[in-house]
Amino acid sequence: AQSVTQPDIHITVSEGASLELRCNYSYGATPYLFWYVQSPGQGLQLLLKYFSGDTLVQGIKGFEAEFKRSQSSFNLRKPSVHWSDAAEYFCAVGARSGNTPLVFGKGTRLSVIA
Amino acid sequence: EPEVTQTPSHQVTQMGQEVILHCVPISNHLYFYWYRQILGQKVEFLVSFYNNEISEKSEIFDDQFSVERPDGSNFTLKIRSTKLEDSAMYFCASTRDRGKETQYFGPGTRLLVL
Repeated sequence: AQSVTQPDIHITVSEGASLELRCNYSYGATPYLFWYVQSPGQGLQLLLKYFSGDTLVQGIKGFEAEFKRSQSSFNLRKPSVHWSDAAEYFCAVGARSGNTPLVFGKGTRLSVIA
Repeated sequence: EPEVTQTPSHQVTQMGQEVILHCVPISNHLYFYWYRQILGQKVEFLVSFYNNEISEKSEIFDDQFSVERPDGSNFTLKIRSTKLEDSAMYFCASTRDRGKETQYFGPGTRLLVL
């Protein structure tokens, strides 16, 4: 069965520090991979996605993620965190066939301190 | 930028009551979804809808749940007789087409069953 693991429930980083949020997946084949962000009271906003090609993908707000097939991982990174990045981050996978539902991880809550 | 909207943002109801959650997908989108997130747990798929019928549903989507597209813009989720365990955040999502399409999410409706 497909599953997504985000091992870190809560991460706190200082403003300006670098960030890496971990995501590991279990899937029958190479899936489509997504990172969504949810700010308080807001919906799920797409940060970036990987379908094929270059395994390092760039997203909005200065985020990037790298797909590593050998490690079944799709970790999200940002070189310098801003206070406005404080939010909940969700990794998700989807099948390459058809329009299938997404499978989400439990999310990682990011806190940013001065 | 077009977005998915959901109403109400919050709903409190008594156990056993019927609730209807409303969604307006992005206007040129054809595939619609409902997901839910119980507090502290993963975002879970409920149901997908295309061409006025259910495409896929999860084991969560039992006979107490139904979906409808009553007109050209709205997409509703009805829970006939709510249970305490239905308390969750409910997200609506839509995509334009099949395949490599991003699912765009609404801000969610927080349902509390007392």
